[in-house]
Amino acid sequence: GQQLNQSPQSMFIQEGEDVSMNCTSSSIFNTWLWYKQEPGEGPVLLIALYKAGELTSNGRLTAQFGITRKDSFLNISASIPSDVGIYFCAGQNAGGTSYGKLTFGQGTILTVHP
Amino acid sequence: EPEVTQTPSHQVTQMGQEVILRCVPISNHLYFYWYRQILGQKVEFLVSFYNNEISEKSEIFDDQFSVERPDGSNFTLKIRSTKLEDSAMYFCASRGLGQSNEKLFFGSGTQLSVL
Repeated sequence: GQQLNQSPQSMFIQEGEDVSMNCTSSSIFNTWLWYKQEPGEGPVLLIALYKAGELTSNGRLTAQFGITRKDSFLNISASIPSDVGIYFCAGQNAGGTSYGKLTFGQGTILTVHP
Repeated sequence: EPEVTQTPSHQVTQMGQEVILRCVPISNHLYFYWYRQILGQKVEFLVSFYNNEISEKSEIFDDQFSVERPDGSNFTLKIRSTKLEDSAMYFCASRGLGQSNEKLFFGSGTQLSVL
């Protein structure tokens, strides 16, 4: 099956710093998604990317869909303590019965020190 | 804001017992999913469900697993005879129709512990 490699595995940063994490895939995805998971909760969608090369922002978050469709990155600018959580990339090949079947990366654990 | 609700939040069971995990998807959604997350690992797809039948399932979703939409609001995952390795957080998710709704809304999960 398709594999997603997400890096880094964890990050420890100071409040106010910028953060960058990325995902690479062994094969093409048609859609890239970035989720955040907080303790005891399910993943919450942050950003969805639908086109190769697309750059999308959501507040302090910016994500890009790689040109090759095999990678994506997520940037968080000016981090704050509530950014703490696990960030997952996910890929989807939409079409037919595969809508909603997501392949997740391993996650990046983000810790923000005040 | 509408949300996916899951019950119970925690379930402890003995190996070999049957468990049913319950989910109430968002009311106007038509596609339903179960995912699981073993502690410290990534979230994995189990099954998708649409129009009262399974659309797709993963290798994990073997004969011990089944899903059902018994009425207009609930969506359940049954594990017939639990094994130790079934211990995980199980997430239900739902999705609406259309490009703008091409995203999943996840519930808070049911933590299943098999002893």
